[in-house]
Amino acid sequence: EIVMTQSPATLSVSPGERATLSCRASQSVSSNLAWYQQKPGQAPRLLIYGASTRATGIPARFSGSGSGTEFTLTISSLQSEDFAVYYCQQYNNWPPRWTFGQGTKVEIK
Amino acid sequence: QVQLQESGPGLVKPSQTLSLTCTVSGGSISSGGYYWSWIRQHPGKGLEWIGYIYYSGSTYYNPSLKSRVTISVDTSKNQFSLKLSSVTAADTAVYYCARAPDGRPFDYWGQGTLVTVSS
Repeated sequence: EIVMTQSPATLSVSPGERATLSCRASQSVSSNLAWYQQKPGQAPRLLIYGASTRATGIPARFSGSGSGTEFTLTISSLQSEDFAVYYCQQYNNWPPRWTFGQGTKVEIK
Repeated sequence: QVQLQESGPGLVKPSQTLSLTCTVSGGSISSGGYYWSWIRQHPGKGLEWIGYIYYSGSTYYNPSLKSRVTISVDTSKNQFSLKLSSVTAADTAVYYCARAPDGRPFDYWGQGTLVTVSS
């Protein structure tokens, strides 16, 4: 099983500041890496797939980078609606055996 | 616009079987190229993929749950279902159904349903 490790567990950021979230895979997942945002009481929402491609309707302040085992999600200027938990997920296996990171909570500083 | 909606009992007794159904609207479950999945989230915790059924009918389950999980599809009703047997309190979670296109991550999710295992 590919283990996904996210850091930090919690990130305290002021509105308007930049947030940088990390995700590491236990083995290479190429660019088959997605990021999701989850708010309390809601299902996760796909933000990024293919490590760096924004999903439909996702604002440009969200960007993803990386390949292989090291990935980053950057939120360039945090808005109030961005305070949430963010998960990375790999989808590199065949047949698919998806795994998620444990999440990073982005909270208001 | 594809929509997914989970349904089923919110309370299940220990040792019994948890049964949930996901109804898909806005698209055919039997159209090609999609993995129809179940994912769960323990209270206050992260996401755990349970398993999927492919449009062709093939299934694959998380090895940690494989012995207790069955996922099936009813194309006439545009639904797929989850059965998890011999449940314990550790199976208390919000259960989501979701769709993943071939080679892509989950793009559509249901709203989730809380299932509590308790006597």
